[in-house]
Amino acid sequence: EDQVTQSPEALRLQEGESSSLNCSYTVSGLRGLFWYRQDPGKGPEFLFTLYSAGEEKEKERLKATLTKKESFLHITAPKPEDSATYLCAAQNTGTASKLTFGTGTRLQVTL
Amino acid sequence: SQTIHQWPATLVQPVGSPLSLECTVEGTSNPNLYWYRQAAGRGLQLLFYSVGIGQISSEVPQNLSASRPQDRQFILSSKKLLLSDSGFYLCAWSQGRGAFQPQHFGDGTRLSIL
Repeated sequence: EDQVTQSPEALRLQEGESSSLNCSYTVSGLRGLFWYRQDPGKGPEFLFTLYSAGEEKEKERLKATLTKKESFLHITAPKPEDSATYLCAAQNTGTASKLTFGTGTRLQVTL
Repeated sequence: SQTIHQWPATLVQPVGSPLSLECTVEGTSNPNLYWYRQAAGRGLQLLFYSVGIGQISSEVPQNLSASRPQDRQFILSSKKLLLSDSGFYLCAWSQGRGAFQPQHFGDGTRLSIL
């Protein structure tokens, strides 16, 4: 059975304090690793797709990386507007692009 | 550009009442469509997915059903709601052709069963 585990569950940072979120996965044949941002009461918003170990993607203060067992979401010099829950999801071989989600990391960035 | 609409945003229903949640996608054709439930402290649980009109796959046994009467319309239903059906329901779509496509989510329906 596919599994995705995210850590930490919650993270509190001061503005400008860089850190990383972890996503460990066990998937029978990884096709893609996805990162999403979710604000309270909203649906997840797509951020990145990573396809192979060693790949990196960047968007503003966020950078996602992938190894054969983990993915990291690095947040550089965060701002309060980066506060959200960050979800990762793994897609295995199979039909319909089904995803297995982790439970997320709840990030709070304070002034 | 593609957009996805879900309604209603919030819903309060008594136990034993029926349910119908609707989701529509605009700006694309033949999408894959998905229904998820998100419970506090748990990941998104896939309930149903559809790769075409009338084609529904169920991921977990439950009190709910899904239908896809049109290419870009996905409906989640129940004949009699249970207390355990409370939760945050999310609809999503992805490109139907080609793998590795991300799913894009609507803003969800918060369902409370009394």
